Amino acid sequence: DIQMTQSPSSLSASVGDTVTITCQASQAISDYLNWYQQRPGKAPKLLIYDASNLQTGVPSRFSGSGSGTDFTLIIRSLQPEDFATYYCQQYDKRPPTFGQGTKVDVK
Amino acid sequence: EVQLVESGGGLVKPGGSLRLSCAASEFIFSSYNMNWVRQAPGKGLEWVSFISSSGSYKYYADSMKGRLTISRDNAKKSLFLQMNSLRGEDTAVYYCVRAGRYGMDVWGQGTTVTVSS
Repeated sequence: DIQMTQSPSSLSASVGDTVTITCQASQAISDYLNWYQQRPGKAPKLLIYDASNLQTGVPSRFSGSGSGTDFTLIIRSLQPEDFATYYCQQYDKRPPTFGQGTKVDVK
Repeated sequence: EVQLVESGGGLVKPGGSLRLSCAASEFIFSSYNMNWVRQAPGKGLEWVSFISSSGSYKYYADSMKGRLTISRDNAKKSLFLQMNSLRGEDTAVYYCVRAGRYGMDVWGQGTTVTVSS
């Protein structure tokens, strides 16, 4: 199975900050990489697909980049509703696998 | 509103069985592949099973292979997951998830499965 490793596992930030989360795949996955946001007690929500495309309705302060094995999610001007856990997920090879998650909490 | 609603979770003893259901609404269910994804308490997301739109193709996570059967009834816009020989490590919230063109784009609210004596 393809292993997805996120960094950091958690971070503390303030409203207005820019946050960067990285995701590394154990083998090249082209751009078959999605990002999800999970708020406490809620189901995950698709944020970004194909590494860099914003899902409909997702604010433009979210952006994704990368290809191959290294990917990045950036959240600019962090808002109160952005404090959540973020997961990357590859779908290049079955089974689809998720990173372990990055929790963004209040500094 | 596009929606998935799971049911069927609960408390079951080790070795027991459960059948999860997922009711879809406001989209053409028969056109979409579907997944089950689970999340153990305080842990990350783990894909469990996939079924193609017609039901012809089915895949399972190795961790549960041989103990699961995924199925669907397109006429009733419903997805199912039969889980047998349940273990403590199967305790989790189980999500019904639509496989959209661009990723897992619609998630249910989840149903909780607790395996304990």
